[in-house]
Amino acid sequence: GAVVSQHPSWVICKSGTSVKIECRSLDFQATTMFWYRQFPKQSLMLMATSNEGSKATYEQGVEKDKFLINHASLTLSTLTVTSAHPEDSSFYICSAVSGRARETQYFGPGTRLLVL
Amino acid sequence: DAKTTQPPSMDCAEGRAANLPCNHSTISGNEYVYWYRQIHSQGPQYIIHGLKNNETNEMASLIITEDRKSSTLILPHATLRDTAVYYCIVRDLYNTDKLIFGTGTRLQVFP
Repeated sequence: GAVVSQHPSWVICKSGTSVKIECRSLDFQATTMFWYRQFPKQSLMLMATSNEGSKATYEQGVEKDKFLINHASLTLSTLTVTSAHPEDSSFYICSAVSGRARETQYFGPGTRLLVL
Repeated sequence: DAKTTQPPSMDCAEGRAANLPCNHSTISGNEYVYWYRQIHSQGPQYIIHGLKNNETNEMASLIITEDRKSSTLILPHATLRDTAVYYCIVRDLYNTDKLIFGTGTRLQVFP
């Protein structure tokens, strides 16, 4: 299957700082990427849909000014958690859909964020 | 909200077949059934998907009932590495790329 990477795999930061997470499709061009958040013992919650070259579409209840998403190229999307607080500590996962084969969504390994 | 219902947990002996059920009684004609799994602290892994015919690949088989209101994912010979949370998701392939995850089934494979 197609490969999606995330960087960093884990990050610890102080409250009030901003953290950027990268999501890359390594062997295909991803016209659409998604960002999910997962709290312990819970399911994945879709945060936003990121389309290359356009503004992201956020799910209801997700603050777009707090979770900045940029999809500047067909292989890279970034999620920036601005002014992070302890309640933002979570497992952030991205996924990507190939422009050529939209049937299957491939997921990255996830980024664990801990805000102190 | 997720459109599927799955048992919260199941056990399976190593080497035996694991049969994971999923109820999707409100599925519409354009919606496909997708299965993903998530091993602890990793991103979800695609397993298989289908519309109405049974499907098989190197990982699993997907059996969809004739009325499409339920399906079963079959892992023919479960191994310890198959221990994971398995998610059954319905998706309108032609109108959205979104996957909405439910609570899934936690499969524990024991020796």
